[in-house]
Amino acid sequence: DIHMTQSPSSLSASVGDRVTITCRASQSINIYLNWYQQKPGQAPRLLIYRASTLQSGVPSRFSGSGSGTDFTLIINSLQPEDFATYHCQQSFTLSWTFGQGTKVEV
Amino acid sequence: QVQLQESGPGLVKPSETLSLTCSVSGGSVSSGSYYWSWIRQPPGKGLEWIAYIYYSGSTNFSPSLKSRATISADTSKNQFSLNLTSLTAADTAIYYCARGTPPADSDAFDMWGQGTVVTVSS
Repeated sequence: DIHMTQSPSSLSASVGDRVTITCRASQSINIYLNWYQQKPGQAPRLLIYRASTLQSGVPSRFSGSGSGTDFTLIINSLQPEDFATYHCQQSFTLSWTFGQGTKVEV
Repeated sequence: QVQLQESGPGLVKPSETLSLTCSVSGGSVSSGSYYWSWIRQPPGKGLEWIAYIYYSGSTNFSPSLKSRATISADTSKNQFSLNLTSLTAADTAIYYCARGTPPADSDAFDMWGQGTVVTVSS
């Protein structure tokens, strides 16, 4: 299995901040990296696929970058509705694996 | 708009078998090149993909759960199901069904059910 490691596990931020979350794969996964947002009591929601493509309906303050083993999710100008847990997931192989999640809190 | 809805028992005893069903509306489990998947999330932990059944009927499993999991589809009811045997407390989690899109699309899980809580306890 490809192991995905996110950092940090949690972070404190304020409305208006720029937030950066990283995800590292245990081997190269090209650009096959997806990001999800999960709010308490809800299912995850796809934000970004293939490292940098925004899913339809996702605000442009979210952006993703990276390739190979290192990836970044950036939230520009954090909004109140962005306080949530963010998960990365590799789709390089058909044995999908997720990171442990990053909680963005006040 | 495709919608997914999980159903199953909330409480299962250790060593027993968990059976979950995902009902799909607004789309067909037997078309569209989708990977119909089960994913779980233990309390306070990250997401773990369990298995998928492809629209053609082929299946794939997480190596860590392969020996205990089976997945099947009932196209007449537009449902797919997961069976997980020999349960322990470590299987306590929220279980989600989700739609995986093909590489020609987003190659990600774009639709999810709301999740069903499963507790393994005597």
